[in-house]
Amino acid sequence: DVKVTQSSRYLVKRTGEKVFLECVQDMDHENMFWYRQDPGLGLRLIYFSYDVKMKEKGDIPEGYSVSREKKERFSLILESASTNQTSMYLCASTPKNEQYFGPGTRLTVT
Amino acid sequence: GQNIDQPTEMTATEGAIVQINCTYQTSGFNGLFWYQQHAGEAPTFLSYNVLDGLEEKGRFSSFLSRSKGYSYLLLKELQMKDSASYLCAVSPTGFQKLVFGTGTRLLVSP
Repeated sequence: DVKVTQSSRYLVKRTGEKVFLECVQDMDHENMFWYRQDPGLGLRLIYFSYDVKMKEKGDIPEGYSVSREKKERFSLILESASTNQTSMYLCASTPKNEQYFGPGTRLTVT
Repeated sequence: GQNIDQPTEMTATEGAIVQINCTYQTSGFNGLFWYQQHAGEAPTFLSYNVLDGLEEKGRFSSFLSRSKGYSYLLLKELQMKDSASYLCAVSPTGFQKLVFGTGTRLLVSP
């Protein structure tokens, strides 16, 4: 059974903190993605990776960076969290077409 | 730019049929996806269309017309558990990178 896990379901951080969101998949997928989901805006792609150590900017990469040191793990980093980064963050992976999503991390920046 | 339009909200009655439309204007086309997302949960894959025509999967069917930039998701024999948001997404390029619409919230009433 396909499984994508994220390190936290809920996270509260202060403005200016460095935040790490972890995503792990156990399906040996090459492609992994980070999205944020906001009411009225839908899912927006932040970064994606198609191989270890490879990364590509999505539609809204500003304020974020990523790391993919191992195939199964894709990390999203908020270098200096700001209140406008309060959102639901969803990780996904795919072998070919359909994307499998993790449960999401609801991040609140105060 | 990329643009995907779908209705914000729809209501229907248990046992009925509902059609959720999606129109898209993207720089390229590598397939169209439908996802279901229950409140507070991750999106789950429903269907994938890359060629024109109808794909049927149980109570759910998805249609694509590439020349019209149009798709619909058809849900038959509606059940209460079908109350959810339905996300239309297009892959404009390779690497399975997706652009999502803002989603259609479907409410099924008894």
